[in-house]
Amino acid sequence: SQTIHQWPATLVQPVGSPLSLECTVEGTSNPNLYWYRQAAGRGLQLLFYSVGIGQISSEVPQNLSASRPQDRQFILSSKKLLLSDSGFYLCAWSRGAGGYTFGSGTRLTVV
Amino acid sequence: AQKITQTQPGMFVQEKEAVTLDCTYDTSDQSYGLFWYKQPSSGEMIFLIYQGSYDEQNATEGRYSLNFQKARKSANLVISASQLGDSAMYFCAMREGTMNSGYSTLTFGKGTMLLVSP
Repeated sequence: SQTIHQWPATLVQPVGSPLSLECTVEGTSNPNLYWYRQAAGRGLQLLFYSVGIGQISSEVPQNLSASRPQDRQFILSSKKLLLSDSGFYLCAWSRGAGGYTFGSGTRLTVV
Repeated sequence: AQKITQTQPGMFVQEKEAVTLDCTYDTSDQSYGLFWYKQPSSGEMIFLIYQGSYDEQNATEGRYSLNFQKARKSANLVISASQLGDSAMYFCAMREGTMNSGYSTLTFGKGTMLLVSP
């Protein structure tokens, strides 16, 4: 069966520090991968998606970047965090144009 | 314009009663899909139910059913016999484009917080 792992679960980082959130999928090949952010009390905003290794599409220009170094690995990064980067980050995968399976999320607090 | 609108920030229902969570959508595509997800306080997103734009019958999954009214562009979630464990945030989402596109990006509404009381 397919599983998706996302870590860390919580993270507190100072302003200006770097960020690296990792997401891996098991049990499937060539998944579509997505990073979403959820600000407090709000819906989910699509940040990046990837349909293959090295292929990254950005939905919202901002302080973050994404990479897909391996088929089932998706990384969200920042060189210098801002206070506004705080939020709940969710990784997801899909097969083709189907629905998503989400990871358990990372709660990021920038202080 | 918002693509997914959930007009109810919060809903209250008593245990064992049915509740309807509203969702309207906006798209010019002929082929699209509608999803409902549940997000408990732990934060995980749990898939509940899916309705394709060409599906003639309303989707049902256990206690969940989707009241799909295509002409009105609404896709309301109906939860029958509410349970205390149903207390959570509920999100409606839409996938636009055809299944042949090879990927989908879901657009989410802002959610409805459902509280089930004993």
